[in-house]
Amino acid sequence: DAKTTQPTSMDCAEGRAANLPCNHSTISGNEYVYWYRQIHSQGPQYIIHGLKNNETNEMASLIITEDRKSSTLILPHATLRDTAVYYCIVSITDSGGYQKVTFGTGTKLQVIP
Amino acid sequence: KAGVTQTPRYLIKTRGQQVTLSCSPISGHRSVSWYQQTPGQGLQFLFEYFSETQRNKGNFPGRFSGRQFSNSRSEMNVSTLELGDSALYLCASRWGLGANTGELFFGEGSRLTVL
Repeated sequence: DAKTTQPTSMDCAEGRAANLPCNHSTISGNEYVYWYRQIHSQGPQYIIHGLKNNETNEMASLIITEDRKSSTLILPHATLRDTAVYYCIVSITDSGGYQKVTFGTGTKLQVIP
Repeated sequence: KAGVTQTPRYLIKTRGQQVTLSCSPISGHRSVSWYQQTPGQGLQFLFEYFSETQRNKGNFPGRFSGRQFSNSRSEMNVSTLELGDSALYLCASRWGLGANTGELFFGEGSRLTVL
């Protein structure tokens, strides 16, 4: 599986955009980029995913570089409730058609009032 | 649509005992996976079941086992409990296993304390 690298922690002012980077320089053509977040003591929550194109939903936007070696999750207007650990995952589908999802250590985002 | 349900939410056991945790997936989801989360090791993959068959397994000893029933509900069992098994055990479901099916829905977890 492609390895991802994320900063250990980040701060963001409330109301500002939070931009969380992720490097995945060894990503392959059939590997998707997924983002999850985990608020303290809760189960992880799916945020968004993409393959090549940028994606947007009601929670966030995902910007994937043209060479697919990195991506950025954007929370447009961060609130205190967005304080969480954010996981960037690159998921490969193997020759048997099985897509494995493996979590790394993530980025701890602290939204500051 | 009901979410993923895990029971029990909290439990305390002593070393040497065994424990069984239960997970009911979202209706229509045929895959259930289990994760162990500890402060030191983060989210560690245990195993995944699909249509009652184990499809993938993480690097855990044989004391950790699981199964899935015909209604997609799943159980995991840990035998001969050790202090290091104290953790939050998370269950997740998804509708399939192939490409573009990585959207996992997690339960709130079962927090196990081993004394």
